[in-house]
Amino acid sequence: DTEVTQTPKHLVMGMTNKKSLKCEQHMGHRAMYWYKQKAKKPPELMFVYSYEKLSINESVPSRFSPECPNSSLLNLHLHALQPEDSALYLCASRTQARTDTQYFGPGTRLTVL
Amino acid sequence: QKEVEQNSGPLSVPEGAIASLNCTYSDRGSQSFFWYRQYSGKSPELIMFIYSNGDKEDGRFTAQLNKASQYVSLLIRDSQPSDSATYLCAVKGKGSSNTGKLIFGQGTTLQVKP
Repeated sequence: DTEVTQTPKHLVMGMTNKKSLKCEQHMGHRAMYWYKQKAKKPPELMFVYSYEKLSINESVPSRFSPECPNSSLLNLHLHALQPEDSALYLCASRTQARTDTQYFGPGTRLTVL
Repeated sequence: QKEVEQNSGPLSVPEGAIASLNCTYSDRGSQSFFWYRQYSGKSPELIMFIYSNGDKEDGRFTAQLNKASQYVSLLIRDSQPSDSATYLCAVKGKGSSNTGKLIFGQGTTLQVKP
């Protein structure tokens, strides 16, 4: 089983709203990732959590705030976003096997008005 | 020079033909190599991974790795219209052992024509 789930599937928010994206995996993976993907571009890494600790922040603006409450759950809190933040937000988790394979969730399509 | 390079395409092949997708990388210490398929509006789906020189086959897919030439490819035999998608090459560098950080190519769009 390589399932990563994400909620919601779609989100529309205004620039003054606060919302959260949720990601969950029950595969025992200890590394989880947030990516942002714009149309016709590859996924762009935002954050990496390893053993529930933030290990990489790719200079992401503070209006994006990640949280890892436990080893199965990853949140991305959104506040005061800009229209250019509209994108597909992808969560992934990584196996600890030799191949270090990342599996992606279905994504959340975010539109900022 | 980009760290991972792919031809953006589109690569157009007739149904039943072999599609050949190519990827080069700049970090000679790269360890693991992945091919993801992404349909329009969907998330990337893992197709193949390879970390040893040579070929690895899985059904209609074959991944080929040549570390000396810093080159990895994906062959799709008996291409079907359902294979039409963007194929992303991703590389895990030597310095990414702890984080598993992947470097993605820009992706190659494959069109399989009936």
